[in-house]
Amino acid sequence: EDQVTQSPEALRLQEGESSSLNCSYTVSGLRGLFWYRQDPGKGPEFLFTLYSAGEEKEKERLKATLTKKESFLHITAPKPEDSATYLCAGNAGNNRKLIWGLGTSLAVNP
Amino acid sequence: EAGVTQSPTHLIKTRGQQATLRCSPISGHTSVYWYQQALGLGLQFLLWYDEGEERNRGNFPPRFSGRQFPNYSSELNVNALELEDSALYLCASSLGKLSAQYFGPGTRLTVL
Repeated sequence: EDQVTQSPEALRLQEGESSSLNCSYTVSGLRGLFWYRQDPGKGPEFLFTLYSAGEEKEKERLKATLTKKESFLHITAPKPEDSATYLCAGNAGNNRKLIWGLGTSLAVNP
Repeated sequence: EAGVTQSPTHLIKTRGQQATLRCSPISGHTSVYWYQQALGLGLQFLLWYDEGEERNRGNFPPRFSGRQFPNYSSELNVNALELEDSALYLCASSLGKLSAQYFGPGTRLTVL
């Protein structure tokens, strides 16, 4: 069964304290791994798409990487405004149904 | 470029009533997706429409239905509302195969 698992469920960091969020997937024929950021009560905001192992993408303090089994979202020197839930999802092929993880709730304290 | 829009922002209904939620995709996007996100829970896939046709459906009862119009906008209908239908309903659109889904701000449905 296709599955995406995110860890940790929640993470609390001090401002400037770098860390990584994990997204493990067992999606047959993965056709893309997506990262989103979601603020409370709002729709998810698209961050990155990764298509092949070894691929990396960066945006400001965020960097996403992909291996054959998992993806990492690295947060460098986070700021309080980076506090949000980070979601990852795998594209399970031709029917374009995304398999979603439950997210990591990140809190960055000033 | 305008993003995905949804209306209404909030909707309050009573048990047994019907709710209609609307979504306008990003210009040029032909696929529309609907999700339910109950408080504290993950995104649950409801429906996917592409080129006016229903392409996939999540594990929801038939009282959840929808359609896509020729201009690619979409509406989600929920009949015989139940208390557990209270949730944030999110619409997303995408362009082409393997493309990212872009989400709207959501409609908060409350069933009393």
